[in-house]
Amino acid sequence: GNSVTQMEGPVTLSEEAFLTINCTYTATGYPSLFWYVQYPGEGLQLLLKATKADDKGSNKGFEATYRKETTSFHLEKGSVQVSDSAVYFCALSERGTSYGKLTFGQGTILTVHP
Amino acid sequence: KAGVTQTPRYLIKTRGQQVTLSCSPISGHRSVSWYQQTPGQGLQFLFEYFSETQRNKGNFPGRFSGRQFSNSRSEMNVSTLELGDSALYLCASSTGDRDTDTQYFGPGTRLTVL
Repeated sequence: GNSVTQMEGPVTLSEEAFLTINCTYTATGYPSLFWYVQYPGEGLQLLLKATKADDKGSNKGFEATYRKETTSFHLEKGSVQVSDSAVYFCALSERGTSYGKLTFGQGTILTVHP
Repeated sequence: KAGVTQTPRYLIKTRGQQVTLSCSPISGHRSVSWYQQTPGQGLQFLFEYFSETQRNKGNFPGRFSGRQFSNSRSEMNVSTLELGDSALYLCASSTGDRDTDTQYFGPGTRLTVL
């Protein structure tokens, strides 16, 4: 079956530091890939997505590139802010067969200190 | 455009009772998916409904059921509650187009079983 593996957390950074959260996946088909963010007491918000190999998703300074050869979708941001503190989830959706089903990684807690 | 709404936001029940959670999707979305989020198991897919039909189902016991109405609103029911059913229940809506399948999440219903 499909699975998503995220780097072990939590991650603690100082403001303006560079962020990388690793995400790798296994899938039987050709998935779409997503990053979602969850702030305390809230649901998940879509951060970015990519639907085919070499696509780069970007939003609010965050970026991730769909790497089919390494089955990865690492999240990066050049300069984090305190307001980026949240839980980040990598997810995949297998097109054409898994109606409405996202498979999630375990989540990475990010804390940014001033 | 209004986002996904879920009611109630918080629920406290006792073992053996049953509970119904409600989800209203984004206007124009015909697909609603449900997820259970717990600290131990993370985010797990329960089921997906599209045009009043269940198209996909996760690995949960039959105590977990759902339905969708003609206006795309969806309800989820859990019967004979167990302590382990305590979780954040999230619903997500999408257009239902398998090739785009971006899901937008509601704020969740926090269920506590005593």
